[in-house]
Amino acid sequence: GAGVSQSPSNKVTEKGKDVELRCDPISGHTALYWYRQSLGQGLEFLIYFQGNSAPDKSGLPSDRFSAERTGGSVSTLTIQRTQQEDSAVYLCASGTTSGYYNEQFFGPGTRLTVL
Amino acid sequence: AQSVTQPDIHITVSEGASLELRCNYSYGATPYLFWYVQSPGQGLQLLLKYFSGDTLVQGIKGFEAEFKRSQSSFNLRKPSVHWSDAAEYFCAVVPNNNAGNMLTFGGGTRLMVKP
Repeated sequence: GAGVSQSPSNKVTEKGKDVELRCDPISGHTALYWYRQSLGQGLEFLIYFQGNSAPDKSGLPSDRFSAERTGGSVSTLTIQRTQQEDSAVYLCASGTTSGYYNEQFFGPGTRLTVL
Repeated sequence: AQSVTQPDIHITVSEGASLELRCNYSYGATPYLFWYVQSPGQGLQLLLKYFSGDTLVQGIKGFEAEFKRSQSSFNLRKPSVHWSDAAEYFCAVVPNNNAGNMLTFGGGTRLMVKP
């Protein structure tokens, strides 16, 4: 079956512009996660969805970052007024309960470059 | 502070040699423990996981890991490395009181394989 897909695979933008990153999770997965991978900070959690609600947004680095999930499926991560420090690979994962843990399956990521 | 540490940023081994990648964690209670691999341009793939029980865990691609409570370690091993194992390896944890199961990652170890 299809895995987690993300689009675009690469995005180059100018400082100050808004960007939207999309994640299509594995069908039927109720949990969805966004992580960011950057040279300076490594891999870090951003936000977690269970269904359409986001019980944990603690990893979002600033109020320029927001995310939504509709229909319990597709999620969009939006970064407003992008800054150069937002340059990173943004990874999405979807999860299904395996015993007492949500096993997470990762997409290939979106590489964001802010010029 | 709670943390996951991978002491080795880079490791180079010869093809056919054995491999051990180190991971230490600092949490009050033993978290759930994971190893992921990331090949160039790819998303993260789960190699193996430890929740409880037998301290030697078998994973995919011939990898295994040993949980040592006394050392707060979860080291990844492989008896004979193949050139295709060249990648970046991440140790990760989920604290067992974490309702959302968000992963906290170590800094990663980049493995290079010499022919």
